[in-house]
Amino acid sequence: DAGVIQSPRHEVTEMGQEVTLRCKPISGHDYLFWYRQTMMRGLELLIYFNNNVPIDDSGMPEDRFSAKMPNASFSTLKIQPSEPRDSAVYFCATQGWRSSSYNEQFFGPGTRLTVL
Amino acid sequence: AQSVTQPDIHITVSEGASLELRCNYSYGATPYLFWYVQSPGQGLQLLLKYFSGDTLVQGIKGFEAEFKRSQSSFNLRKPSVHWSDAAEYFCAVAGNGNQFYFGTGTSLTVIP
Repeated sequence: DAGVIQSPRHEVTEMGQEVTLRCKPISGHDYLFWYRQTMMRGLELLIYFNNNVPIDDSGMPEDRFSAKMPNASFSTLKIQPSEPRDSAVYFCATQGWRSSSYNEQFFGPGTRLTVL
Repeated sequence: AQSVTQPDIHITVSEGASLELRCNYSYGATPYLFWYVQSPGQGLQLLLKYFSGDTLVQGIKGFEAEFKRSQSSFNLRKPSVHWSDAAEYFCAVAGNGNQFYFGTGTSLTVIP
């Protein structure tokens, strides 16, 4: 398995633009998590899904952020409109309760977002 | 509520020296505990995990951690540090198994 795949790896955009981050989970994993990492706040959980259904989105900072998981193979995190304070590294992680690595979260390489 | 504290923001050790990174957690029941490592520009990689049983767990890259319930701690250790161990280390606790709570991380610098 290729692991958790995230795209793009780097994104530079201007304030006010829409940004879409993508994640392909490990096949068979039924939990998917979106995290944001900044120097000031560390690693924050934004939202997580179970079987494509959002379970807890209490970490989503505001309405400008939205996440979807239309199927078991794909998730997106969208920021519209983007602001400079959204600059961070965004990680996707997945977890499979029925896998041999029970309870372990596998992280993607992250997307480094810079909003100018 | 679950939480994790990593009291050391930054640690510097000499190559070949021993290492201990501290982690304290808050959780009412038996926690699931993890240590992850993040190299610059990379995602987080699992070093080791504790669910139950033997309180001393072995991980990859020569790391080990000891779960001490009485101290609510899960400290990470390595007997001899290599320059390639320089990275950010995160401790995490999972309560009901899926939602993780991460510490703020400890940055490790290894000097020759």
